Amino acid sequence: GQQLNQSPQSMFIQEGEDVSMNCTSSSIFNTWLWYKQEPGEGPVLLIALYKAGELTSNGRLTAQFGITRKDSFLNISASIPSDVGIYFCAGSTDSWGKLQFGAGTQVVVTP
Amino acid sequence: GAVVSQHPSWVICKSGTSVKIECRSLDFQATTMFWYRQFPKQSLMLMATSNEGSKATYEQGVEKDKFLINHASLTLSTLTVTSAHPEDSSFYICSARDWASGSIRSNEQFFGPGTRLTVL
Repeated sequence: GQQLNQSPQSMFIQEGEDVSMNCTSSSIFNTWLWYKQEPGEGPVLLIALYKAGELTSNGRLTAQFGITRKDSFLNISASIPSDVGIYFCAGSTDSWGKLQFGAGTQVVVTP
Repeated sequence: GAVVSQHPSWVICKSGTSVKIECRSLDFQATTMFWYRQFPKQSLMLMATSNEGSKATYEQGVEKDKFLINHASLTLSTLTVTSAHPEDSSFYICSARDWASGSIRSNEQFFGPGTRLTVL
């Protein structure tokens, strides 16, 4: 079952603003992944994190693997309309790579 | 790289019929693929883990006789929804891991575009 707490559930922001979302877990993970899903499509991998404290960027996206290995955050800087979508965090502890997903954060960007 | 396709992208069927969904890794080999189901405005729910050449591992509460999974090659896994009913209508998504990318990166899952199943 789902053990990740992702917040906020939704965000309504103006173009140009920064966005921040996070996930916390009761379990320790060895991998954190952040995905974006647009309506009617599969999730697309944005950033992968492999060790505690790691800070990784992908364009305007920045994500960090928490020191305790039980949390991660994703920041989007200077949002643009195409950032609209649902962002999911996912964590893995399992040798088979099974992922546990957060509930998702819906981002809406208005011009 | 790391492209996963699904076919069909959508399907409408009558209650009681069976539907097969294909998941293919196009540019890498995937010894493990995963099948998820997603209901509107909800997160992804793992149904089963599909391993090439062996039986799939189903999550608790998922009927293995209803959702048949076959992973016959390193690039293809299929999910067959047998005797489909309206409550099986959902968005089915597969993902695959690229084992050849290395021990750490192999935890990354790449998703297909999904299949929208509507059972009338």
